[in-house]
Amino acid sequence: AQSVSQHNHHVILSEAASLELGCNYSYGGTVNLFWYVQYPGQHLQLLLKYFSGDPLVKGIKGFEAEFIKSKFSFNLRKPSVQWSDTAEYFCAVRAGNTGKLIFGQGTTLQVKP
Amino acid sequence: NAGVMQNPRHLVRRRGQEARLRCSPMKGHSHVYWYRQLPEEGLKFMVYLQKENIIDESGMPKERFSAEFPKEGPSILRIQQVVRGDSAAYFCASSPAAGITEAFFGQGTRLTVV
Repeated sequence: AQSVSQHNHHVILSEAASLELGCNYSYGGTVNLFWYVQYPGQHLQLLLKYFSGDPLVKGIKGFEAEFIKSKFSFNLRKPSVQWSDTAEYFCAVRAGNTGKLIFGQGTTLQVKP
Repeated sequence: NAGVMQNPRHLVRRRGQEARLRCSPMKGHSHVYWYRQLPEEGLKFMVYLQKENIIDESGMPKERFSAEFPKEGPSILRIQQVVRGDSAAYFCASSPAAGITEAFFGQGTRLTVV
């Protein structure tokens, strides 16, 4: 069965620190990969997505992620976090032509001012 | 251009009552997905519907849960005889197609069973 694993459940950083959130998935075929962010009390918003092409994808708010097929990974990065990045981050995979997304457990990021 | 609308935002039900959660997809979207987020867990897929059809219900509990997406009106997730374990946030997402497109999420309905 497909699954998604996020390595860190809770991350605390100071402003201007660099961020990397790990995401690994298990599925041998074609996948679409997503990172969503959920700010407190709000709905999930798409940060970035990978469908094909350049494995380094850039998203909104300075986030980027790199798809490494050999490692089944899609790690999220940001060079310098801000207090406003405090939120929960979810990695998700869509396998094959199914419409449904398989989500990781989420990572809560707390940025201290 | 309204996004995915879910209502109510918060719903409190006593054990044994029925809960009805509504989801209006974005304009032009005919694919709807329901997800459940239990405390301290990620979102779990429940069901995928197109207009008047259930495409994939592999994540739905076998009993008490049902979903529909009629030709007219919102998609409904119905939970009969709710129990405390049903307390969760229920999110709806919609997309224009099932292929290489992204899904847009609503703000969710937080169900509390007392």
